[in-house]
Amino acid sequence: DTAVSQTPKYLVTQMGNDKSIKCEQNLGHDTMYWYKQDSKKFLKIMFSYNNKELIINETVPNRFSPKSPDKAHLNLHINSLELGDSAVYFCASSRQRGGGTDTQYFGPGTRLTVL
Amino acid sequence: GENVEQHPSTLSVQEGDSAVIKCTYSDSASNYFPWYKQELGKRPQLIIDIRSNVGEKKDQRIAVTLNKTAKHFSLHITETQPEDSAVYFCAAYNTNAGKSTFGDGTTLTVKP
Repeated sequence: DTAVSQTPKYLVTQMGNDKSIKCEQNLGHDTMYWYKQDSKKFLKIMFSYNNKELIINETVPNRFSPKSPDKAHLNLHINSLELGDSAVYFCASSRQRGGGTDTQYFGPGTRLTVL
Repeated sequence: GENVEQHPSTLSVQEGDSAVIKCTYSDSASNYFPWYKQELGKRPQLIIDIRSNVGEKKDQRIAVTLNKTAKHFSLHITETQPEDSAVYFCAAYNTNAGKSTFGDGTTLTVKP
């Protein structure tokens, strides 16, 4: 009955590889997000989808490509991984865009380590 | 776009003391202000929020105040306990932009 789930929880890989992270929410929310949390704990939004449509893309390198097959799922594919991509990636969802509030429900995070 | 500044970046208090974390925002169109708590190795979770038509909200030992004119809001934790030790994030949500902007976080340490 997990509200927002992510897989994998840990990801260790070599520079130059391509990897994907998957996210699913069972809250019936319309909006989903990807955040990056670096070693300094800063939480930075990367992308947001509303009903499968990309609505926020925050100057993220085009090596990062999100995909939302339906409103309950949001995946993140990263090409040609670099050392600086090492971080914890959080998926989140909220009820609806423009709904007056934006309480975010976060997934457990995926700790990506690039060697 | 919105800019949210959060202070202090670290805060250490003695158990039982109060802790206050402050955030300022730049966009007067922001209208919803949540606070999230992130324990070590865990996900951020909402602990309290306030809408722009309210000046203060309390939930047991935590409270949030909002000053729309000055564009700042604060988290107050009274009678702190060691389990309050965590990173706290404020955020400002702009309905028009459909986006929350997070502060840089405050690491709170409560010493027993």
